[in-house]
Amino acid sequence: NAGVTQTPKFRILKIGQSMTLQCTQDMNHNYMYWYRQDPGMGLKLIYYSVGAGITDKGEVPNGYNVSRSTTEDFPLRLELAAPSQTSVYFCASRSSGQGYEQYFGPGTRLTVT
Amino acid sequence: GENVGLHLPTLSVQEGDNSIINCAYSNSASDYFIWYKQESGKGPQFIIDIRSNMDKRQGQRVTVLLNKTVKHLSLQIAATQPGDSAVYFCAENWDSGGSQGNLIFGKGTKLSVKP
Repeated sequence: NAGVTQTPKFRILKIGQSMTLQCTQDMNHNYMYWYRQDPGMGLKLIYYSVGAGITDKGEVPNGYNVSRSTTEDFPLRLELAAPSQTSVYFCASRSSGQGYEQYFGPGTRLTVT
Repeated sequence: GENVGLHLPTLSVQEGDNSIINCAYSNSASDYFIWYKQESGKGPQFIIDIRSNMDKRQGQRVTVLLNKTVKHLSLQIAATQPGDSAVYFCAENWDSGGSQGNLIFGKGTKLSVKP
């Protein structure tokens, strides 16, 4: 299994541009998550999904949108990028079993200038 | 809201020594805790987890201790190696009324291992 994959690895955006961060998992996990990690900080939850067609806001959803049309994919959309969205973005997934262990992708480093 | 925090932001240890990374939590209703390791430029990796009905759990070279009385969690790494150098995060299970299994992460402790 490839696990959780994210593209792109790096991206520079100008203020006001839009982009989609891609996330795919091949573990047939129902739960998927998007986090952002600012320098020297922990992870903050942006959005999550408990299954295809179901998404919900996390702690910091403003400026982002998500969709979950399939079990495998959970793209994160940034509309009208702002410098405050400069961060490293991590996607994660987990199974519906008893444990809450989340498996993380390698991250996307985004800079908005 | 209630958050997970860490006592020490940085920890420097000698290779071969034992490391102890601490974490305080404030949500007494949390029933699951997990430790992640994050190497530079990579995503977090699972190390070990523990449920609130336990006070100790051991893995390979790692032990997690949970003290619910003082709301304290610690990660012990035995015979620390240079490859253990990373940032370590604790996280607690937080769900907003449903069993979503969402995690709240602390800020992390940077562990540096001196050869």
